[in-house]
Amino acid sequence: SQTIHQWPATLVQPVGSPLSLECTVEGTSNPNLYWYRQAAGRGLQLLFYSVGIGQISSEVPQNLSASRPQDRQFILSSKKLLLSDSGFYLCAWSGGAGGSYEQYFGPGTRLTVT
Amino acid sequence: QKEVEQNSGPLSVPEGAIASLNCTYSDRGSQSFFWYRQYSGKSPELIMFIYSNGDKEDGRFTAQLNKASQYVSLLIRDSQPSDSATYLCAVISFSSGSARQLTFGSGTQLTVLP
Repeated sequence: SQTIHQWPATLVQPVGSPLSLECTVEGTSNPNLYWYRQAAGRGLQLLFYSVGIGQISSEVPQNLSASRPQDRQFILSSKKLLLSDSGFYLCAWSGGAGGSYEQYFGPGTRLTVT
Repeated sequence: QKEVEQNSGPLSVPEGAIASLNCTYSDRGSQSFFWYRQYSGKSPELIMFIYSNGDKEDGRFTAQLNKASQYVSLLIRDSQPSDSATYLCAVISFSSGSARQLTFGSGTQLTVLP
């Protein structure tokens, strides 16, 4: 069966510091991968998605970036965090081309920027 | 712009009753429809998906889709206090291509009263 991991689970970072969040998927190959952010009491905002290694599409211009160095690894980064970057960051996967459409979420990383 | 609308609630039902959650979408090209449950502080969990008009039943859950009217609903029979959560409706449209991006509603908060 498939499993999705995210770490760290929680993070408190000062404004202006860098960020690196990691997501890995097990039990599947060639998945589509997604990064979402959920601000407190708000809906899910799609930040980035990837349909393959090195292929990243951005949905919202911001100070965040994403990379996919391996088939089942997705990384979210920032060089300098803003207060507005606080939120619940969720990684998700779905089947790639020819695969199933359903998206499955990881446990999330709760980021507080102080 | 693709939109998915849900009543934010809160929706309160007594234990054992039927909870009815509704969702409308604006993009007629939408092809796949999903219901997620999100407990407070946790990541969304996929509970139902439906691709064709009509009803789809899974245990106490029934998803209903009407593409002509552009709405999808979720019925929870014999509601339990453990069903208390925020329910997110999500939609994939044909235009998202291989990326299969989900557009989420803002969620309906359900409380089941003992």
